[in-house]
Amino acid sequence: DAKTTQPNSMESNEEEPVHLPCNHSTISGTDYIHWYRQLPSQGPEYVIHGLTSNVNNRMASLAIAEDRKSSTLILHRATLRDAAVYYCILRDGVRTTDSWGKLQFGAGTQVVVTP
Amino acid sequence: NAGVMQNPRHLVRRRGQEARLRCSPMKGHSHVYWYRQLPEEGLKFMVYLQKENIIDESGMPKERFSAEFPKEGPSILRIQQVVRGDSAAYFCASSQGTGATYEQYFGPGTRLTVT
Repeated sequence: DAKTTQPNSMESNEEEPVHLPCNHSTISGTDYIHWYRQLPSQGPEYVIHGLTSNVNNRMASLAIAEDRKSSTLILHRATLRDAAVYYCILRDGVRTTDSWGKLQFGAGTQVVVTP
Repeated sequence: NAGVMQNPRHLVRRRGQEARLRCSPMKGHSHVYWYRQLPEEGLKFMVYLQKENIIDESGMPKERFSAEFPKEGPSILRIQQVVRGDSAAYFCASSQGTGATYEQYFGPGTRLTVT
């Protein structure tokens, strides 16, 4: 399965943007890039996903490199509620592979937001 | 629309007892996934079920663990003869469809403590 690499932690000031990098140099052409986050003592929460083009939603933006070997999750204005572990996950669009149904979580990036 | 519901939220069992964890997916979702998060560790996939069928149980321990998702009623994760190492947070997720374009919605988790 394609793997992702994320920094262990990142710190940001409240109301400033946060750019969370993810490297996935062995990504295949059918892999989607998903982001989830887990707030303290809660279940994970879907954030965003994309395949090739940049994506925006009410929570965040996803910028995908042209060669797709890396991506960046952008939180435009961090709030204290955004303090969480953020996971970058590849999911294969092909049914016959392992990552078809399940989510394979790594260690993620712990985001700390300072008032 | 109610989210994914799990009960109980906290469960204490003595070694050797049975633990039954319940998960009601979001309305209209027929795909259910179970994940486990051991203390200070990451989330690990356990099993993926559709109504009355186990689709992927590659993450389930070979003994003492079983899961079902009957035609009527919630999905159940059953742990027989619990041991201290089973103490963890168990999360259930559901999705409307399967595959890389569908996000998974997580419940709040059941925290199992084995004494």
